[in-house]
Amino acid sequence: QITLKESGPTLVKPTQTLTLTCTFSGFSLSTSGVGVGWIRQPPGKALEWLALIYWDDDKRYSPSLKSRLTITKDTSKNQVVLTMTNMDPVDTATYYCAHIVGYSEFDYWGQGTLVTVSS
Amino acid sequence: DIQMTQSPSSVSASVGDRVTITCRASQGISSWLAWYQQKPGKAPKLLIYAASSLQSGVPSRFSGSGSGTDFTLTISSLQPEDFATYYCQQANSFRTFGQGTKVEIK
Repeated sequence: QITLKESGPTLVKPTQTLTLTCTFSGFSLSTSGVGVGWIRQPPGKALEWLALIYWDDDKRYSPSLKSRLTITKDTSKNQVVLTMTNMDPVDTATYYCAHIVGYSEFDYWGQGTLVTVSS
Repeated sequence: DIQMTQSPSSVSASVGDRVTITCRASQGISSWLAWYQQKPGKAPKLLIYAASSLQSGVPSRFSGSGSGTDFTLTISSLQPEDFATYYCQQANSFRTFGQGTKVEIK
């Protein structure tokens, strides 16, 4: 059974760096073809893809946010970490991590974590 | 960047209705398209992948079609549990979601 869970601060101040951790079970990030992605959703708005990391450490970033994002993995801990620099109130959103196999769709999602950016 | 445009943005329908949602890509994406259902306060749920393949456990009243730039999600007979927001997502180049289509009770 594949499960994922996001953790991190619920409140960050403008200009601070956000660090989110996705802890997962039921699969290994050392298995060929497997990846974990991050997606966010501002309140009442659409989903926005942020970043992906694959089993072979291949990393992909949203072109519009690439300069602010870093994604890493710790295979031994079954964790993926996303950092986003220079946070702004417009970055207030629910942040999700999700499992991906191959190079297409997200088939398992975490419950999401709401991050508010406010001074 | 590939943009995904869904239409309509919302639709009012009754139980038993046939509902069709369209997604258009700004450039060809072959069949690299997925559909998700999201209910308030919940994570999205994968319904369709590779444009027309039904995810395991998803009712057969959901179907997807299309390739290239134009895609369709169809709910053949709307059930009470289907009232939700639906998103398309391309996977041809990076990832992009559509803006969503809310299916509301008429």
